[in-house]
Amino acid sequence: EPEVTQTPSHQVTQMGQEVILRCVPISNHLYFYWYRQILGQKVEFLVSFYNNEISEKSEIFDDQFSVERPDGSNFTLKIRSTKLEDSAMYFCASSRLGSGGELFFGEGSRLTVL
Amino acid sequence: AQKVTQAQTEISVVEKEDVTLDCVYETRDTTYYLFWYKQPPSGELVFLIRRNSFDEQNEISGRYSWNFQKSTSSFNFTITASQVVDSAVYFCALSETYDSSYKLIFGSGTRLLVRP
Repeated sequence: EPEVTQTPSHQVTQMGQEVILRCVPISNHLYFYWYRQILGQKVEFLVSFYNNEISEKSEIFDDQFSVERPDGSNFTLKIRSTKLEDSAMYFCASSRLGSGGELFFGEGSRLTVL
Repeated sequence: AQKVTQAQTEISVVEKEDVTLDCVYETRDTTYYLFWYKQPPSGELVFLIRRNSFDEQNEISGRYSWNFQKSTSSFNFTITASQVVDSAVYFCALSETYDSSYKLIFGSGTRLLVRP
């Protein structure tokens, strides 16, 4: 069964460092998303991406965040200068056209900022 | 504004008991979707069900059933004869459509512990 894959599964970084989280969405999906879950809290929407541009972004997705689809398969989330409060689980998701909102989530990348 | 409320933060039951997880939502949209996701201890988000706002029929899938009531803006989830493997955090979510992409608004989750 096709699935969304994310790398790395866990990354530890120093405050101020740049981090890139990678995702390979399901191949025939057209919409891509990043969500974030701070430990013990709810899952929060960060950004949606379609047709090589951002469809919508939340207030959390400020100038230090960016997304990119550098080739036909990868979808990346870059955090330019990490802060302690960026420590969280980051979930990538994808959906197909007309999916009715059924998002397929990856297993998540846990980011720890020290 | 869109909002999902899961008032039960944690529920503990003994195996084989039935348990209902509550979800109440707020939206101004007439067309929307509601979801339940399971997050086991391993951390991934597992899709369980999607309902659209025009379909109030209850659904049963094995030991799982869902009760959607538009009149009370609720979408409750019942596990019958619970098992230890059902222990997880369960999230209810509401979709907000922007163009054709979907922004899911999650509730804060209900942690279910099923004891042997």
